[in-house]
Amino acid sequence: GESVGLHLPTLSVQEGDNSIINCAYSNSASDYFIWYKQESGKGPQFIIDIRSNMDKRQGQRVTVLLNKTVKHLSLQIAATQPGDSAVYFCAENMTGRRALTFGSGTRLQVQP
Amino acid sequence: DGGITQSPKYLFRKEGQNVTLSCEQNLNHDAMYWYRQDPGQGLRLIYYSQIVNDFQKGDIAEGYSVSREKKESFPLTVTSAQKNPTAFYLCASTGTGGPQPQHFGDGTRLSIL
Repeated sequence: GESVGLHLPTLSVQEGDNSIINCAYSNSASDYFIWYKQESGKGPQFIIDIRSNMDKRQGQRVTVLLNKTVKHLSLQIAATQPGDSAVYFCAENMTGRRALTFGSGTRLQVQP
Repeated sequence: DGGITQSPKYLFRKEGQNVTLSCEQNLNHDAMYWYRQDPGQGLRLIYYSQIVNDFQKGDIAEGYSVSREKKESFPLTVTSAQKNPTAFYLCASTGTGGPQPQHFGDGTRLSIL
């Protein structure tokens, strides 16, 4: 079946560096993508989203890039802080379906 | 503050027992969802409901049941037919009117005694 996946299961960065978390998706009909942050024992927290008619969207310290040609999504975190340590999930919305499809997640570890 | 409340935070099930997980939202959202999360994995959809008195099976509905009698509430029952119920269960909701993110509760961790 079609799925959303991630390239790197664990990413370790130094505090203050920029982080890039990648995600590949296989359904070309997906039209909406979301990045979530999940801390241990808690539910996913919305970070940023992007629609398929956009290539880039910026938030506070975060940027999401969408490359529809290669079906690739990335989350960039500027000046990574210890509080950014968590598991990050990408999710896609398939056209005509109201529920999200999630990738398996990437753990971000920020070293002080 | 508006949000989604899941209870209990921890739940233990005995063999042959049905247990019900609560999910309540005060966001006035029409759609609600239940996901299961296993260690080190992503979320898998169990059931979802787009409107009161209506719900659909997700990818892993076997051994689970739901009801949607009120807009604010979407309880999930883990039945004795679910042979591997140990997991972290997450409830989410979203509004209608175009693509928008789902909002999540803080989950219920279910374990077997």
